[in-house]
Amino acid sequence: AQTVTQSQPEMSVQEAETVTLSCTYDTSESDYYLFWYKQPPSRQMILVIRQEAYKQQNATENRFSVNFQKAAKSFSLKISDSQLGDAAMYFCAYRSARAGNQFYFGTGTSLTVIP
Amino acid sequence: ETGVTQSPTHLIKTRGQQVTLRCSSQSGHNTVSWYQQALGQGPQFIFQYYREEENGRGNFPPRFSGLQFPNYSSELNVNALELDDSALYLCASTAGTSINEQFFGPGTRLTVL
Repeated sequence: AQTVTQSQPEMSVQEAETVTLSCTYDTSESDYYLFWYKQPPSRQMILVIRQEAYKQQNATENRFSVNFQKAAKSFSLKISDSQLGDAAMYFCAYRSARAGNQFYFGTGTSLTVIP
Repeated sequence: ETGVTQSPTHLIKTRGQQVTLRCSSQSGHNTVSWYQQALGQGPQFIFQYYREEENGRGNFPPRFSGLQFPNYSSELNVNALELDDSALYLCASTAGTSINEQFFGPGTRLTVL
């Protein structure tokens, strides 16, 4: 089974600074998708960014970008110009490209943004 | 907000009881997945329903069962509740079983005493 590891239970960043959240995964598959989800306190989980494994170019969404290292099975999230609203739990997730929609989630990183 | 709703918001049950949780998927979405999120953990996949049929199951015992209705809403049923079933239960809806984005509901917080 696939596993997703987030080794940073908690991170903090000064407002307007940049922070990087780490994620590694284990899989024997060559075709898959990776995601970062944000779960604010008592709020719904929302998609931040996703990456297709077959794409070499790293995905970017405004202030959010990823560093996808397929050989190293690493998928980190960089948040630039951090804002107070970025404070949340961030989950890294893996999904196989095969049929079926099962996502494997990491244990999450709690991000605090310091004013 | 994602358009996925869940009820109830909170629920307290005792060991051995049965519980039914409900999920209304986003309009146009015919696939619903259920997850269990224990405190301090990431969501764990329970199962998925696509067009009223189970379409994949995680490592959960048979006392976790589900239904999907013609309008694509869904239920998660848990029998013989155990203390470890205390968790946030999330449902997520998707259009089809492809790699379209999952939209999560706010969750149901279940406490088993």
